[in-house]
Amino acid sequence: DAGVIQSPRHEVTEMGQEVTLRCKPISGHDYLFWYRQTMMRGLELLIYFNNNVPIDDSGMPEDRFSAKMPNASFSTLKIQPSEPRDSAVYFCASSPQLRGYTFGSGTRLTVV
Amino acid sequence: AQKITQTQPGMFVQEKEAVTLDCTYDTSDPSYGLFWYKQPSSGEMIFLIYQGSYDQQNATEGRYSLNFQKARKSANLVISASQLGDSAMYFCAMRFKTSYDKVIFGPGTSLSVIP
Repeated sequence: DAGVIQSPRHEVTEMGQEVTLRCKPISGHDYLFWYRQTMMRGLELLIYFNNNVPIDDSGMPEDRFSAKMPNASFSTLKIQPSEPRDSAVYFCASSPQLRGYTFGSGTRLTVV
Repeated sequence: AQKITQTQPGMFVQEKEAVTLDCTYDTSDPSYGLFWYKQPSSGEMIFLIYQGSYDQQNATEGRYSLNFQKARKSANLVISASQLGDSAMYFCAMRFKTSYDKVIFGPGTSLSVIP
């Protein structure tokens, strides 16, 4: 079991550029979550999917953020255009129903 | 509203001693799950322990145990025989089955184990 795989591990980009974060969940897990972690706001749930369908995107900060899950083995989180305040660690996590879930290693995003 | 509170931003414990990390929650959902995660300085999130709201017994996983008091809405994590490697941030989290399995996290407690 390779766990939840996120790429890239680190991303540095200039303000205004598009950023795409990628996630491969654990095979067989029905749920996929995107979280953002900052010192000021802690861990924030951005969006989550159940069986590839977005269930709750109320945590997505604004229209610059979008997430897709085209199939059970892949999801993306896109920021366009990126801003310095988007700098954070972005975690993807997956789980079967109601049990604790497994986090990826995170993507550390820096927007300069 | 659903909310998780961890009132201890930072804790210190002597190596080999036991420590309790507090977590209280607020929900009207009848069915939920409670979790604890550990985040060491390397940044990864590590699942520690799970307690279901209908579980009769407190959960235990090795040196970790969860002191679940449903009426008081608390789910404290007890770490026995602390080790230096236990120094990390610890997050309490709750998952709501009736809210399409939404999960929220508390603000975390930073634990430092002193030799």
